[in-house]
Amino acid sequence: DIQMTQSPSSLSASVGDRVTITCRASQSISNYLIWYQQKPGKAPKLLIYAASSLQSGVPSRFSGSGSGTDFTLTISSLQPEDFATYCCQQSYNTPYTFGQGTKLEIK
Amino acid sequence: QLQLQESGPGLVKPSETLSLTCIVSGGSISSSTYYWAWLRQPPGKELEWVGSIYYNGNTYYNPSLKSRVTISADTSRNQFSLRLSSVPAADTAVYFCARLISGGWFFDYWGQGTLVTVSS
Repeated sequence: DIQMTQSPSSLSASVGDRVTITCRASQSISNYLIWYQQKPGKAPKLLIYAASSLQSGVPSRFSGSGSGTDFTLTISSLQPEDFATYCCQQSYNTPYTFGQGTKLEIK
Repeated sequence: QLQLQESGPGLVKPSETLSLTCIVSGGSISSSTYYWAWLRQPPGKELEWVGSIYYNGNTYYNPSLKSRVTISADTSRNQFSLRLSSVPAADTAVYFCARLISGGWFFDYWGQGTLVTVSS
């Protein structure tokens, strides 16, 4: 199975900050990388697919980049509703696997 | 607007079979564009893909669960189901159903999730 490792595990930031979250795959996955946002007690919400394609309806302050094994999710200017947990998923092959999540907290 | 809703018992005894159903509204599970999936998230842990089913009945399972998992679909009722046999306490998790996009292989619509606890 492909292992997905996110860093950091948690992050404190303020409204208006620019933040970057990293996801690393244990082998090359081309651009088969997806980012989700999850709030407590809720289902994950799709943010970005194919490493850098923004899902319809997702604000443009979210962006993704990377290919191969190293990927980043960037939020350009944090809004109050962005404080949540973010996780990555590889879709290069089955079993699809997820990162452990990065919890973004208010400083 | 597509909606998915999980239903089933919230408590299952160890060694018994966990059974959940996902009712889909606002779209057809018979579409060739999509797969339909089950995922789960144990408390405090990462998401885990359990398996998927295609409109033609083809199924794909996580090898770690393959011997215990069955996913089936009822197109007449527009729903699909999960059965997980011989459950241990480690199968306690929030179970989600979701739509899987063919080609991109990402999950774009999710149910709200249902907590299933395995305990005597």
